[in-house]
Amino acid sequence: GEDVEQSLFLSVREGDSSVINCTYTDSSSTYLYWYKQEPGAGLQLLTYIFSNMDMKQDQRLTVLLNKKDKHLSLRIADTQTGDSAIYFCALRGSNSGYALNFGKGTSLLVTP
Amino acid sequence: DTAVSQTPKYLVTQMGNDKSIKCEQNLGHDTMYWYKQDSKKFLKIMFSYNNKELIINETVPNRFSPKSPDKAHLNLHINSLELGDSAVYFCASRPHEGSTDTQYFGPGTRLTVL
Repeated sequence: GEDVEQSLFLSVREGDSSVINCTYTDSSSTYLYWYKQEPGAGLQLLTYIFSNMDMKQDQRLTVLLNKKDKHLSLRIADTQTGDSAIYFCALRGSNSGYALNFGKGTSLLVTP
Repeated sequence: DTAVSQTPKYLVTQMGNDKSIKCEQNLGHDTMYWYKQDSKKFLKIMFSYNNKELIINETVPNRFSPKSPDKAHLNLHINSLELGDSAVYFCASRPHEGSTDTQYFGPGTRLTVL
C-alpha cells in the first residue's frame, strides 16, 4: 500500500462529477484497476486499464492514466448516492503471482 | 452461481484457537489468492497459489498456512489465533496468463478474535 497512494476522503453532491486520484511508484505495472467496496461487502471490480492506454471510458466511468507522472484517476459522472463506497486503486505486481498492490482506498460520500 | 465463495462469512473465536476459512471458485481459474483487510481497510496480499505452486508473502506469520486440495479450492488455516488476526479475509482468483487479467474476489470472511 505504501507504493500506491490515494486521498482518504472525498465528498460530492449528488449529480456532480467525482474524481478519485491515485499515484504509484511501480512503473512496470501493466494492469491498473479500480475496485469498489460498499459497507460490509466484498470487492467489486469496476474497471481496469492497460498501461499502454491513456484513457478508458465505460458508461459513467472514465479512467485516465498518465504514465509519465504515474497518476491514475477515476471519474464518475452524475454521481449518485448509491456510488457512496470506498474506491481502491490497485496495480498488478510483477511478482508474488501477480497479486494486486492496493492503495488505502478513498471513501466517497455522496450527499443529496 | 457464485463465482468465488467463502465460508464462513463471520467467524468469532477465542485467542489460541485454530480455525480454517474455505474458499472455492467455479470459474476454472488457475491462480488463487488470500488477502487480508485490516480495521483501517488496508488490503494486503498474503498468499498466491498457482497450479500447486505456493508463493508466500514473507510478512505473513507461519501460523497461517494455505492448503489447496485442488485447483478450485484454496483454504486458509490459522493456528494459535491472536488478537491482531482480527480482520476481513478475502479470497480471489485469476484466470491463466494471457487472458483478461482481472481478479475476482469472494465476499470476505470477517474474523474476530476475542
